[in-house]
Amino acid sequence: EVQLVESGGGLVQPGRSLRLSCAASGFTFSNYWMTWVRQAPGKGLEWVANIRQDGNEIYYVDSVKGRFTISRDNTKSSVYLQMNSLRAEDTAVYYCAGGGSYNPDFDSWGQGTLVTVSS
Amino acid sequence: QSVLIQPPSASGTPGQRVTISCSGSRSSIGSNHVYWYQQLPGTAPRRLIYNDDQRPSGVPDRFSGSKSGTSASLAISGLRSEDEADYYCVAWDDRLRGAVFGGGTKLSVL
Repeated sequence: EVQLVESGGGLVQPGRSLRLSCAASGFTFSNYWMTWVRQAPGKGLEWVANIRQDGNEIYYVDSVKGRFTISRDNTKSSVYLQMNSLRAEDTAVYYCAGGGSYNPDFDSWGQGTLVTVSS
Repeated sequence: QSVLIQPPSASGTPGQRVTISCSGSRSSIGSNHVYWYQQLPGTAPRRLIYNDDQRPSGVPDRFSGSKSGTSASLAISGLRSEDEADYYCVAWDDRLRGAVFGGGTKLSVL
């Protein structure tokens, strides 16, 4: 069974950092592009970042460039999102999702982890 | 405002056919495939349509997708109460070098 499990969310003060993790199982992780998508409370979905199978091609949404870093460890079947200089507007449920290319074609999703940025 | 434009709401009665539109640009929908996701309350999104008009296994054939130029549509026929959900279109944008979602359409089954 394909499974993606996010962790690392929580309450954090503005300007601080947080690292999200997403552990994959049930499929060949190293064959997949991995993506982070977020959803602010009561709002729509927003694509955040994605990373190629070998980690050598990465894209970010403009609002997180320079603050967030996506990475992966194929030996651990995991993808990460290091979030620095957090802002109130980063408050959201963060989902990891997997797909075969850079396209937003996600056949698997995690359950999400909530990040709340507040003082 | 989202890069892809969807109506915020849509509605229909059981058995009816409804259509949800998604308008983009040459660099997004005009150049790349469109994908549609369904999100039930409190759950993660589920893929409904990929590559403009392809349906994954397990998705009922009541759901269909189409694309023309810089716009796409999701059609749901034989509407059922369990179709009540939020629906999102998404596509890669070559100019932004990232994926862009529509703002989502909340479908009500009256």
